[in-house]
Amino acid sequence: DSGVTQTPKHLITATGQRVTLRCSPRSGDLSVYWYQQSLDQGLQFLIHYYNGEERAKGNILERFSAQQFPDLHSELNLSSLELGDSALYFCASSPGAGEGNTIYFGEGSWLTVV
Amino acid sequence: GNSVTQMEGPVTLSEEAFLTINCTYTATGYPSLFWYVQYPGEGLQLLLKATKADDKGSNKGFEATYRKETTSFHLEKGSVQVSDSAVYFCALGSGYSTLTFGKGTMLLVSP
Repeated sequence: DSGVTQTPKHLITATGQRVTLRCSPRSGDLSVYWYQQSLDQGLQFLIHYYNGEERAKGNILERFSAQQFPDLHSELNLSSLELGDSALYFCASSPGAGEGNTIYFGEGSWLTVV
Repeated sequence: GNSVTQMEGPVTLSEEAFLTINCTYTATGYPSLFWYVQYPGEGLQLLLKATKADDKGSNKGFEATYRKETTSFHLEKGSVQVSDSAVYFCALGSGYSTLTFGKGTMLLVSP
């Protein structure tokens, strides 16, 4: 158990819908990251927040957004869903934001768009 | 930009065989290097890491040495077990600790 908690574990929704994935980082960790894992793209970095502020953006679509709240939990919002958005979405956390920080992953949220 | 290249799988071995999974990287500066493992149906778990050249990371019998001269971080284990069957990801961390992953290598160990 990494200490990173993600909900829901599984989600099935229809195209065009909107979903919210939630993440609680490890106790004391200030950084939260979101990654997408799909068969064709592999593991893709989406976005990084540190202590409530966006620090880095990766391959995140405009239909997707995220935020980190004052209690440090984070939400990833996915809207106007398409079949290709079906993937495993990981949240991860680390104590700081510098190089060398070990990043700990949650078990992921499986999203299926039908 | 940063990139990580791993050998393609699956790698199929018999129990107690020697394992090597190759990983090379391209990066600016001095990144940290990681191996993560994903067991079937589970999330990513950190297996080992190295933060500077010539460092050796080790855990659960797995080892990898950070080789700056060859930009490599190959994963090795002397004697694999069936329970080691999983997908192994090499990753590079730089900047604000965002990780760049390789495509993963599936390891299948048979009894």
